[in-house]
Amino acid sequence: NAGVTQTPKFRILKIGQSMTLQCTQDMNHNYMYWYRQDPGMGLKLIYYSVGAGITDKGEVPNGYNVSRSTTEDFPLRLELAAPSQTSVYFCASSGQIHQPQHFGDGTRLSIL
Amino acid sequence: KQEVTQIPAALSVPEGENLVLNCSFTDSAIYNLQWFRQDPGKGLTSLLLIQSSQREQTSGRLNASLDKSSGRSTLYIAASQPGDSATYLCAVGRNSGYALNFGKGTSLLVTP
Repeated sequence: NAGVTQTPKFRILKIGQSMTLQCTQDMNHNYMYWYRQDPGMGLKLIYYSVGAGITDKGEVPNGYNVSRSTTEDFPLRLELAAPSQTSVYFCASSGQIHQPQHFGDGTRLSIL
Repeated sequence: KQEVTQIPAALSVPEGENLVLNCSFTDSAIYNLQWFRQDPGKGLTSLLLIQSSQREQTSGRLNASLDKSSGRSTLYIAASQPGDSATYLCAVGRNSGYALNFGKGTSLLVTP
């Protein structure tokens, strides 16, 4: 049972480049989330989705975009990467709101 | 705005000790509270979820309590083992909205 899979695991970007962080889940969960975790800080919600075709902003959405064309996939796109976006990015899913969230292993992103 | 605080930030104990990790939150209008474990370089694993109407939840050597009126939760780990070494995160689910508010975590080291 794969759960939540994130790719890539590591990436280094130059300032101004763009990239897409991939997230897929095989649990048929409706709810999916993107968080970022900065060193010594709590996780912050970037975007979330309550089902295919429905997304909304979280606490820190600036500089990011998402799409949800299928139940399984929830990619996060960074446009014009900035050093402030250096972080560890986690994707999570849950069957319903307020149920335990299942996390991927994260993508460690450095922007130089 | 919900603020979640975890004390202590780091803890080192010898194997076999019982220990308590603390989590406090500023807004008592919560839906639930979750405790997660995070191993280095890995994602988060949900340990226990307490609904706002509950007082405690138990899983094996772990017991989590919730006092919503005072804005506090504790995670009790009995007979600690070196394999319990990890960072433990507390996250509060709001009544409205989808974001979990995370604390910064307690880094636990259990020495043989």
